[in-house]
Amino acid sequence: EVQLVESGGDLVQPGGSLRLSCTASGFTFSLYQMNWVRQAPGKGLEWVSFISGSGDTTHHADSVKGRFTVSRDNAKNSLYLQMDSLRAEDTALYYCTRNADGNFDYWGQGTMVTVSS
Amino acid sequence: DVVMTQSPLSLPVTLGQPASISCRSSQSLAYSDGNTYLHWFQQRPGQSPRRLIYKVSKRDSGVPDRFSGSGSGTDFTLTISRVEAEDVGVYYCMQGTHWPPYTFGQGTKLEIK
Repeated sequence: EVQLVESGGDLVQPGGSLRLSCTASGFTFSLYQMNWVRQAPGKGLEWVSFISGSGDTTHHADSVKGRFTVSRDNAKNSLYLQMDSLRAEDTALYYCTRNADGNFDYWGQGTMVTVSS
Repeated sequence: DVVMTQSPLSLPVTLGQPASISCRSSQSLAYSDGNTYLHWFQQRPGQSPRRLIYKVSKRDSGVPDRFSGSGSGTDFTLTISRVEAEDVGVYYCMQGTHWPPYTFGQGTKLEIK
């Protein structure tokens, strides 16, 4: 059974940093591209970041470019999101998703990031 | 970026009646490989999103056959033939043809009348 479990969400002050993790199981992690998608409270879904299976290729939304960095450790079946220079508008539930043929076939339960002083 | 526009944004439906959600894209979602990367997700209250339909009309395993997807180019529709109580939630369309970025519609909230 495919499982994606996010962790690392927390309350952080504006300008601060946080590192999210997603642990995958139930599939060969290195063969799949992965994404981070976020959802602000009461709002819709916003794609944040993409990483290829090898980790060689990454893409980020313009709203986080230069502040967030996606990475992965295939030996640990883990996906990461390093979030720096956090802003209030980054407050959201962050989901880890598996990328299959141009869409997101499995989602984790999400981890909450709150940016507030 | 491709803009995805859903309508309606709120959809009250009587149990057992049909429901349709429209999704329009600002550019054609037909890709050169012959596929159209338009997908539908359901988010029940308090839950993570779940993929229902991928590449316009392919239903995910475990998704009831009362859900169907159709459309082409820039106009797409998610149809529920007979709404059940468990269908309450928010439905999102998403395009994966012109990326990055992947883009979602605003979401359509389905409720029981």
